[in-house]
Amino acid sequence: AQKITQTQPGMFVQEKEAVTLDCTYDTSDPSYGLFWYKQPSSGEMIFLIYQGSYDQQNATEGRYSLNFQKARKSANLVISASQLGDSAMYFCAMRDYNNAGNMLTFGGGTRLMVKP
Amino acid sequence: DGGITQSPKYLFRKEGQNVTLSCEQNLNHDAMYWYRQDPGQGLRLIYYSQIVNDFQKGDIAEGYSVSREKKESFPLTVTSAQKNPTAFYLCASMTGGVWSGELFFGEGSRLTVL
Repeated sequence: AQKITQTQPGMFVQEKEAVTLDCTYDTSDPSYGLFWYKQPSSGEMIFLIYQGSYDQQNATEGRYSLNFQKARKSANLVISASQLGDSAMYFCAMRDYNNAGNMLTFGGGTRLMVKP
Repeated sequence: DGGITQSPKYLFRKEGQNVTLSCEQNLNHDAMYWYRQDPGQGLRLIYYSQIVNDFQKGDIAEGYSVSREKKESFPLTVTSAQKNPTAFYLCASMTGGVWSGELFFGEGSRLTVL
């Protein structure tokens, strides 16, 4: 069974600094994908970044990058130059290739608070 | 604009009543999903559907029912058998056959049982 673990319930970061949100996963399937979503207080889920298990390079999308360490089964999200608008819940999620329904399994989330 | 519309955004229900949450998408996506989120928690899968007239139970399907009569629509009924229905419900969809694709989410429906 898939499992996603986010060990940081809450984090503070100073505006303009970088922050790393941790995510570890567990799957026996060699083919899988990892996703990060942002959930502001309004509740909608915003897709941020995707990393495939066979991708040779770490994914990047603007200020977001994914520190993918396959042997350690970790997929940490790095946000550079934090902004006040980055304050939100962040969820790591995974889908493996044997997942017939293509659903995502989510971690428990990390609440990020950006200080001015 | 293409997207997923959930309604109502807020809903109050008395104990013992069934309630149906609407989810409509105009993205032409094959697969649709319902997730439940409790305060400060992650998302848990209730039901999903990959094609019209077919759906499967997720991890926490007890007390819920769904239908998929049209590609665009995937309503969720929270029945009186659901012991703790107060939660935030999120509907999502994705293109079928692209397993690396992300889920697109609606804005959610917040259900409170009085």
